[in-house]
Amino acid sequence: AQRVTQPEKLLSVFKGAPVELKCNYSYSGSPELFWYVQYSRQRLQLLLRHISRESIKGFTADLNKGETSFHLKKPFAQEEDSAMYYCALSGANSKLTFGKGITLSVRP
Amino acid sequence: DVKVTQSSRYLVKRTGEKVFLECVQDMDHENMFWYRQDPGLGLRLIYFSYDVKMKEKGDIPEGYSVSREKKERFSLILESASTNQTSMYLCASSWAGGQPQHFGDGTRLSIL
Repeated sequence: AQRVTQPEKLLSVFKGAPVELKCNYSYSGSPELFWYVQYSRQRLQLLLRHISRESIKGFTADLNKGETSFHLKKPFAQEEDSAMYYCALSGANSKLTFGKGITLSVRP
Repeated sequence: DVKVTQSSRYLVKRTGEKVFLECVQDMDHENMFWYRQDPGLGLRLIYFSYDVKMKEKGDIPEGYSVSREKKERFSLILESASTNQTSMYLCASSWAGGQPQHFGDGTRLSIL
């Protein structure tokens, strides 16, 4: 069975502070990991995927197979980063399993 | 740009009614999905489809059914709506065997 755990429901930081949104997964095979973001009143959209190994909007995430983690990081948070963030895992059959999500609030 | 369109943004129905939620995608994607999104529970997969007339149960299929008669359209059906089906419903589509999934705007369904 595949499982995604996001241990925190809310993270509140000041603008310019570093951000780390935690994600741990459980999967017996080779997973594909994603971060999705949902800004207020907008549709859920892909932020980044581990196989791309790219930085989107200043966010990065590294897959750590030893710790089964895929934490999302940004060195300096911006107010426009305030949103709901979901970590997701795709197994062999294209199904996505989502974590419960975390609300990031960036204060001015 | 991929467009996934859900027929209604807001819908109010009564207990016991049969409810149809429609979703259309314009990218010729093979895969289509229905989720419900609830605070504190994240997104949970209800049903998905890999091809026309094919469907598979997700994690919470009870009380729901689906229909996929055409490749671009995937319908979610609540046979007899109940108050615990009040939720935000999200449709998504993707290419076969791959990601990412592209989501619609969602339908906020209230069952009174």
